[in-house]
Amino acid sequence: EVQLVESGGGLVQPGRSLKLSCAASGFTFSNYYMAWVRQAPTKGLEWVASITNSGGSTYYRDSVKGRFTISRDNAKSTLYLQMDSLRSEDTATYYCTRDQLGAAIYPYWYFDFWGPGTMVTVSS
Amino acid sequence: DIQMTQSPTSLAASVGESVTITCLASEDIYGSLVWYQQKPGKSPQLLIYGATILEDGIPSRFSGSGSDTQYSLKINSLQPEDFASYYCQNGLSTPRTFGGGTKLELK
Repeated sequence: EVQLVESGGGLVQPGRSLKLSCAASGFTFSNYYMAWVRQAPTKGLEWVASITNSGGSTYYRDSVKGRFTISRDNAKSTLYLQMDSLRSEDTATYYCTRDQLGAAIYPYWYFDFWGPGTMVTVSS
Repeated sequence: DIQMTQSPTSLAASVGESVTITCLASEDIYGSLVWYQQKPGKSPQLLIYGATILEDGIPSRFSGSGSDTQYSLKINSLQPEDFASYYCQNGLSTPRTFGGGTKLELK
């Protein structure tokens, strides 16, 4: 059974840092791209960042580029999100997701498994 | 960025009814449309990918259709557990963009 369990959320002041972790189990972690998706309170879903299975390439939404760093340790089956220079607008539940590749006319990506999420609150 | 516009934003229906939610992409996404269901306090769950492919374990009363820029999610014979929020997502390009969501409520 695929399991993704996030940790590391909490209350942090604006401008400070926080590092999220996601422990994966039930599948061969090193074979899959992974991603972080967030959801602000009472709002919709927002993709944050993705990483290739080897960790060699990373992708970010514009609003977090230069502040957030996604990384992984395949030996530990763990995904990370280092969040620096946090802003109030980063307040959200952060979900760890497995990124699955599909094929149609063109290749496409979807999130087939999600963790329960970890809440990050940025406030003074 | 590809914008995803969902409608309606909210919908009230009764058990046993059928409903349809639509998603419009700002450009052709070539069938790379994904649907998720999210129940209150829970993480989203994958329903449909590739516009029409039902994820394993999802009841057959859920179906997806569409192409180019227009897509739909249909739920036949609504069950009590179907009252939730639904999101579409562009899977073709980065950034992966989501629709604003549709909240399906019990009438």
